[in-house]
Amino acid sequence: DTAVSQTPKYLVTQMGNDKSIKCEQNLGHDTMYWYKQDSKKFLKIMFSYNNKELIINETVPNRFSPKSPDKAHLNLHINSLELGDSAVYFCASSPPQLAGGLETQYFGPGTRLLVL
Amino acid sequence: SQKIEQNSEALNIQEGKTATLTCNYTNYSPAYLQWYRQDPGRGPVFLLLIRENEKEKRKERLKVTFDTTLKQSLFHITASQPADSATYLCALFLYNQGGKLIFGQGTELSVKP
Repeated sequence: DTAVSQTPKYLVTQMGNDKSIKCEQNLGHDTMYWYKQDSKKFLKIMFSYNNKELIINETVPNRFSPKSPDKAHLNLHINSLELGDSAVYFCASSPPQLAGGLETQYFGPGTRLLVL
Repeated sequence: SQKIEQNSEALNIQEGKTATLTCNYTNYSPAYLQWYRQDPGRGPVFLLLIRENEKEKRKERLKVTFDTTLKQSLFHITASQPADSATYLCALFLYNQGGKLIFGQGTELSVKP
């Protein structure tokens, strides 16, 4: 009965590889997000989707491409991985605005990415 | 652009005391301020939200204040317990920017028995 789930939990890969991280939420939320938490624990938003439509796209390299096949899933694909991409990536979701809960975000457990 | 800072990276207190964490922000635009708890190896968990027209919000042993003049929020945990030890993150919710959350760097709270 996990609310927001991410796979894989750990990802170790070589520089230059392409990898994907998957996120799924079973809360019926309309909006999903990707965040990056660096080694100093600083959490920064990367992307946000509402009903499969991109609504927030921060200054993120083009190598990062989110994909939302339906409103319950938001995957993150990373091309040509670099050392600086090593971080913890969190997926999150939030309920519809009309439900009065847009402000509250529910986070997944994170994917720890290490690029060697 | 909006910026949010938490005034200490770490805070150590004795069990039973009140922990007070501070969050300051700049270039405020219509927003709400939120507090999250993050345990090691886990994602942040929402605790409390306070709106710009609210001065104070409470939930059990937690209390949040919001001073839009000082551009500051204080987060209090009364009667602290070792189980309260975690990193606490404040975040500005930007309602007019697609619901973007801008996080502070976090304060790691350690409550000693």
